[in-house]
Amino acid sequence: GAGVSQSPSNKVTEKGKDVELRCDPISGHTALYWYRQSLGQGLEFLIYFQGNSAPDKSGLPSDRFSAERTGGSVSTLTIQRTQQEDSAVYLCASSLVSGEGETQYFGPGTRLLVL
Amino acid sequence: EDQVTQSPEALRLQEGESSSLNCSYTVSGLRGLFWYRQDPGKGPEFLFTLYSAGEEKEKERLKATLTKKESFLHITAPKPEDSATYLCAVQAGGAQKLVFGQGTRLTINP
Repeated sequence: GAGVSQSPSNKVTEKGKDVELRCDPISGHTALYWYRQSLGQGLEFLIYFQGNSAPDKSGLPSDRFSAERTGGSVSTLTIQRTQQEDSAVYLCASSLVSGEGETQYFGPGTRLLVL
Repeated sequence: EDQVTQSPEALRLQEGESSSLNCSYTVSGLRGLFWYRQDPGKGPEFLFTLYSAGEEKEKERLKATLTKKESFLHITAPKPEDSATYLCAVQAGGAQKLVFGQGTRLTINP
């Protein structure tokens, strides 16, 4: 079946502009995660959604970052007033449930470059 | 704070030369340890989940093992197509997020 999809694949923007990144999880998966992978860094957790529960935003690095999930499916990560340090690969993952040891499946990522 | 450390950072092997990658972890209440493979320009691809010490899982030339402090990814008679970055991650305590190590970049020369 179809995996996690993300768009755009690549995004180049100017410092100070806002960007929106989209994630379509695997159909039927109730949990959705956003991670960031900076050059030379490991994957860093950003935010987690599970059903209708309040999202876990504990990994968002600043208030310029926000995310929403509409209808329990598609999610959008928004970065306002982008900075050069926001340049990274933004990865989305989904899992069937948010249970013990539930496997997260990743999308291909969006490569963001802030000039 | 949960921590995951992978070693070595990079490893070059000749085709057919077996070796092991290490993932050491310090967590409160391990709920799962995950291995992923990541090719350049792509997202991580799931390989294995291990839940408790003593558990082992195999897939083709890869075998993952788990103790109370570390996990090993053994690669037997590797081929050039096994070249990739291998990521280890843990899920621990009450959190749903994965905490990742920095990865091991594996190169298999023909």
